[in-house]
Amino acid sequence: GAGVSQSPSNKVTEKGKDVELRCDPISGHTALYWYRQSLGQGLEFLIYFQGNSAPDKSGLPSDRFSAERTGGSVSTLTIQRTQQEDSAVYLCARGGGSYNEQFFGPGTRLTVL
Amino acid sequence: AQSVTQLDSHVSVSEGTPVLLRCNYSSSYSPSLFWYVQHPNKGLQLLLKYTSAATLVKGINGFEAEFKKSETSFHLTKPSAHMSDAAEYFCVVRSGTSYGKLTFGQGTILTVHP
Repeated sequence: GAGVSQSPSNKVTEKGKDVELRCDPISGHTALYWYRQSLGQGLEFLIYFQGNSAPDKSGLPSDRFSAERTGGSVSTLTIQRTQQEDSAVYLCARGGGSYNEQFFGPGTRLTVL
Repeated sequence: AQSVTQLDSHVSVSEGTPVLLRCNYSSSYSPSLFWYVQHPNKGLQLLLKYTSAATLVKGINGFEAEFKKSETSFHLTKPSAHMSDAAEYFCVVRSGTSYGKLTFGQGTILTVHP
């Protein structure tokens, strides 16, 4: 596989609730990325982590979205006070290969009712 | 700034005929370009990458793409389509730093008829 696991695979929540999505890449890769895929917006970059540098948060759509990466490995994307427009597939990718290609996990499908 | 335009939202071919998926890019810096494929209910898989080493790039499953700077294009081709090629294909650009974000095109859905 791509060496990235994500959990849960599906998440259904009610509007206004908080959710946490988890990404667990195989060890030894410093770069980790979050994207989301939705019908209306296609695939959009959200945030990325690279080593000990400050994360690039330029793609986060609002301050309800945040992410952290603990110990340089596992990452959690948190969405507070979810809205229906947050419904999407959230994808995590790890950097790797000779040109830091990005390898994607299977995604978490989030549905906000 | 960087962007990608996939010129066809849907392409339909018969099995055994050539495939052409068109992509144009815009980038302020020397770009890295990629094609990814997504089969129904599956994750994104890297097909091939261009990183300035060679303009004609070969990928998995018989696909290849040619980088043409003068035309700012990176079209994906395959000589003979197989039923298993039916999927959605994304042209992707990354500018500047090798740790930069990816910018995706809107995708092209490839249908292969028997």
